Amino acid sequence: QLVLTQSPSASASLGASVKLTCTLSSGHSSYAIAWHQQQPEKGPRFLMKLKSDGSHSKGDGIPDRFSGSSSGAERYLTISSLQSEDEADYYCQTWGTGVVFGGGTKLTVL
Amino acid sequence: QLQLQESGPGLVKPSETLSLTCTVSGGSISSSYYWGWIRQSPGKGLEWIGSIYYSGSTYHNPSLKSRVTMSVDTSKNQLSLEMSSVTAADTAVYYCARHATGMAEFDKWGQGTLVSVSS
Repeated sequence: QLVLTQSPSASASLGASVKLTCTLSSGHSSYAIAWHQQQPEKGPRFLMKLKSDGSHSKGDGIPDRFSGSSSGAERYLTISSLQSEDEADYYCQTWGTGVVFGGGTKLTVL
Repeated sequence: QLQLQESGPGLVKPSETLSLTCTVSGGSISSSYYWGWIRQSPGKGLEWIGSIYYSGSTYHNPSLKSRVTMSVDTSKNQLSLEMSSVTAADTAVYYCARHATGMAEFDKWGQGTLVSVSS
């Protein structure tokens, strides 16, 4: 079964970097995913599509501070030079016969 | 630029049918994309409801399939979602979104509309 696992929460200081993880279930390590950001009281925003080889394509207007990488079944979202507006929920999404979302990671900027 | 806007009644009674519309502007709904519906219960994560191609072919979340009907009106550039026999558990913000290619990542999202199920 295709499942995405995310840690419920993460925190990092203003100006620092943070790396969020999304883990694909066993047997699905070749799958691409997408990262979405959801700021408080807003709808989700597409950040990037991330492939198993680490190549990624970002959405319109997404700053260079956001980058993606991959290792095995793990897909990462790295945010550098953290700003207050980066405090948000981050969801990974993948697809097969249907669409699957991870449970989301709530990022707190200290 | 492409914009999606959900609309519909904010309050639906238990056991009735929820009906929502997503109006697409800045692009054609017939331009070979799949379009999806996603919901988010209060304080919870994102749940995929289903997706539809402009020609009408559909994919559903198996857990909701028996209660969900999706359609496309190309003349109005709109998607529609109907969910029958709603309960309080269907209270959520409902989003429409566009798949970038095939049934892959969602690259454009609507702002969402809150639907509450209550008598």
